[in-house]
Amino acid sequence: DAGVIQSPRHEVTEMGQEVTLRCKPISGHNSLFWYRQTMMRGLELLIYFNNNVPIDDSGMPEDRFSAKMPNASFSTLKIQPSEPRDSAVYFCASSAGQATFNTGELFFGEGSRLTVL
Amino acid sequence: SQQGEEDPQALSIQEGENATMNCSYKTSINNLQWYRQNSGRGLVHLILIRSNEREKHSGRLRVTLDTSKKSSSLLITASRAADTASYFCAPQSGGSYIPTFGRGTSLIVHP
Repeated sequence: DAGVIQSPRHEVTEMGQEVTLRCKPISGHNSLFWYRQTMMRGLELLIYFNNNVPIDDSGMPEDRFSAKMPNASFSTLKIQPSEPRDSAVYFCASSAGQATFNTGELFFGEGSRLTVL
Repeated sequence: SQQGEEDPQALSIQEGENATMNCSYKTSINNLQWYRQNSGRGLVHLILIRSNEREKHSGRLRVTLDTSKKSSSLLITASRAADTASYFCAPQSGGSYIPTFGRGTSLIVHP
């Protein structure tokens, strides 16, 4: 398997622009997680899905952030409008089994590095 | 879910030495996982230890768990330059496995 695939790997945009980050989880995994990593705040959980359904989005910073999972093989994280403080590395991870009962490992993508000028 | 707190924040050693990093958590757990993150990469799962286990080994890695002290430690023996990375713990508690991570321990192994 190719692992978790994220795109783009790098994105530089200007404040106010819309940003869409994409994730393809490992086939057969039914839990998907979005994280954000910064030097100041470390690795933060933004949202997670189970069987394509958002279970907990309490980590999403504000209404400018939204995430979707239209099918089992694709998820997006959208920021609109983007701000400089959104600059971070955004990671997607997937896992087999239900998040509420799963003790298995998470498989992370390589991340999308976002810079908002 | 709860977040683990890794200690120390940074660790610098010479190749061949052992590296020990610690994780503390607040409430009782079902299991605890350790992950590694190389610079510019995603996290990679290293090892899982369950609450009824006290020690677990995987190659040069040794993980211990002390549930009475609510702490775990990760020991890397005979470290190599390639072990240079950040290490994170993720405790799981209650009926929900939602992995949350602390700031990690940044390990530098000098060749």
